[in-house]
Amino acid sequence: QLQLQESGPGLVKPSETLSLTCTVSSGSISSKTHYWCWIRQPPGKGLEWIGSIYYSGNTYYNPSLKSRVTISVDTSKNQFSLKLSSVTAADRAVYYCARQRSYQSNAFDIWGQGTMVTVSS
Amino acid sequence: DIQMTQSPSSLSASVGDRVTITCRASQSISYYLNWYQQKPGKAPKFLIYAASSLQSGVPSRFSGSGSGTDFTLTISSLQPEDFATYYCQQSYSSPEYTFGQGTKLEIK
Repeated sequence: QLQLQESGPGLVKPSETLSLTCTVSSGSISSKTHYWCWIRQPPGKGLEWIGSIYYSGNTYYNPSLKSRVTISVDTSKNQFSLKLSSVTAADRAVYYCARQRSYQSNAFDIWGQGTMVTVSS
Repeated sequence: DIQMTQSPSSLSASVGDRVTITCRASQSISYYLNWYQQKPGKAPKFLIYAASSLQSGVPSRFSGSGSGTDFTLTISSLQPEDFATYYCQQSYSSPEYTFGQGTKLEIK
């Protein structure tokens, strides 16, 4: 069963760049039928899609975050990454990586366990 | 962008009850609607895609219906493990995806 695991610093200073990596195991990130995504959830709040990437490198971002977000993929390592620049306290959240189907209503079908990121000096 | 509104925001029910959660889109999204279940401290779990298709392995007591702007998630007979928060998500405006605010299902 394919699994996703987020990794990266749990504490980021205001105005700096948040960087997270998602490692895909027991499956290939080079799937032609899936995208790879980042989704976040502030404490006690709902889910917000950040962006998606295809193995070829095509990216799609939430317009509200687009100016600060970069998602990249490294097929040799079976990983994809998130960079969010100029963070503020509003970016404090649990960050999930997820696999997204390119069929069947583009559902997010497999999720990582999530990693909490706090923004504080 | 397409807004998704769930109702109620919270719901109390008992084991064995039949419950229905509603999700309304700000514009027609055809059948491009998915449902997820999230338990405290855990990642969301994928339940239903394309409004009414059950993901493999999900118990048959879960069902979804609707199209256009109005959708429902029904649990036919609540089990203790079903108490969680449920989210709808639209994929009509691909590649911009939005979730409902969630419905917290609590034990009465």
